[in-house]
Amino acid sequence: DARVTQTPRDKVTEMGQEVTMRCQPILGHNTVFWYRQTMKQGLELLAYFRNRAPLDDSGMPKDRFSAEMPDATLATLKIQPSEPRDSAVYFCASGSSSLADNEQFFGPGTRLTVL
Amino acid sequence: GNSVTQMEGPVTLSEEAFLTINCTYTATGYPSLFWYVQYPGEGLQLLLKATKADDKGSNKGFEATYRKETTSFHLEKGSVQVSDSAVYFCALSPPGGDDKIIFGKGTRLHILP
Repeated sequence: DARVTQTPRDKVTEMGQEVTMRCQPILGHNTVFWYRQTMKQGLELLAYFRNRAPLDDSGMPKDRFSAEMPDATLATLKIQPSEPRDSAVYFCASGSSSLADNEQFFGPGTRLTVL
Repeated sequence: GNSVTQMEGPVTLSEEAFLTINCTYTATGYPSLFWYVQYPGEGLQLLLKATKADDKGSNKGFEATYRKETTSFHLEKGSVQVSDSAVYFCALSPPGGDDKIIFGKGTRLHILP
């Protein structure tokens, strides 16, 4: 059945290194969302795209984070340089703006640990 | 603005107990309302939804009714199981073409055998 996939599932890196997380949305979906989840802050929306165009990245630290959709089957979230405070689980979700209720379908997440 | 408030957790119950997790919302117009569930180590998944006032969403024994007069969407289950242990998120989708969903902070539920 159709699912959102994310890679890698787990990533351990050292402070200062570049981290790239990838997401494959459900085929046919035209909206993609990136969320970050921590115990302290809960679920935060970092960025979202519709038809591959970035519509809102106000939740993302601009100096080190960037999000792109090189094509309709791939979304990327990059952190450069990474810091220990970036340790979190990062979720990608996709949806279809043609649906009246905007249901989102979540991937399994990437657990990032920055040492 | 649009917001969702749900009861703080954790909530701990014994198996077969009755569950209620309260959720109230603030929104203009008639949003769509959702409950998402997150099992340990997984992403969020839709549990149930309701798109208009007085609608009842239901799934896996869980129910929630869209109450416009009290701006509420409380989650209920008559008899919980250990496998229901998870984090539950109430959420809304504003009307008017916004793709985003506004999530509550989540309520962690522990069911004891």
